[in-house]
Amino acid sequence: NAGVTQTPKFRVLKTGQSMTLLCAQDMNHEYMYWYRQDPGMGLRLIHYSVGEGTTAKGEVPDGYNVSRLKKQNFLLGLESAAPSQTSVYFCASSYSGPPRDEQYFGPGTRLTVT
Amino acid sequence: GENVEQHPSTLSVQEGDSAVIKCTYSDSASNYFPWYKQELGKGPQLIIDIRSNVGEKKDQRIAVTLNKTAKHFSLHITETQPEDSAVYFCAASLDNYGQNFVFGPGTRLSVLP
Repeated sequence: NAGVTQTPKFRVLKTGQSMTLLCAQDMNHEYMYWYRQDPGMGLRLIHYSVGEGTTAKGEVPDGYNVSRLKKQNFLLGLESAAPSQTSVYFCASSYSGPPRDEQYFGPGTRLTVT
Repeated sequence: GENVEQHPSTLSVQEGDSAVIKCTYSDSASNYFPWYKQELGKGPQLIIDIRSNVGEKKDQRIAVTLNKTAKHFSLHITETQPEDSAVYFCAASLDNYGQNFVFGPGTRLSVLP
């Protein structure tokens, strides 16, 4: 039982490049979330999903897209990376969402856009 | 929308002493208040939470208190140990499966041996 895993752990992009971050969970959770964490700030929700095939916008969705084609995977895409997207990205999953069930976080992906 | 403030931003205590971190929120409709611990290089981990119909909750050395009237809630850690050193985040939310969590900026706690 690996919990929540994220791929890659680190990435450096140039402005305008694209990439996809992969989040995988093996706990059969329905809910999955993508957050970004910036220095001196709390986590901010980018997008979330309440089940396979569904996605919804969070607090800061601009510049990102997501897909949930399989229940265990939640992908975060950056179509044209900008320096403002330099951040640490965390994925989380939950069986039925807080407060009923805990969110479990992955170890994070550190992304730098130059 | 909701705004969460957290104080202090850094906190150093001697091992065995108590630590208190305070958060204030702006939206009186918020009814769920979790606390997370984030160790270096890891994702946040839920350590305790409280709902708005409860004033206090304890779990061994950790406790959370909530004052709905003043719109603030606090994390109390007693008998601190070096392994308590981490960044602690509070959050406020409505009861709707986490779609609108608002996190505080975090408190870096250092427990000195």
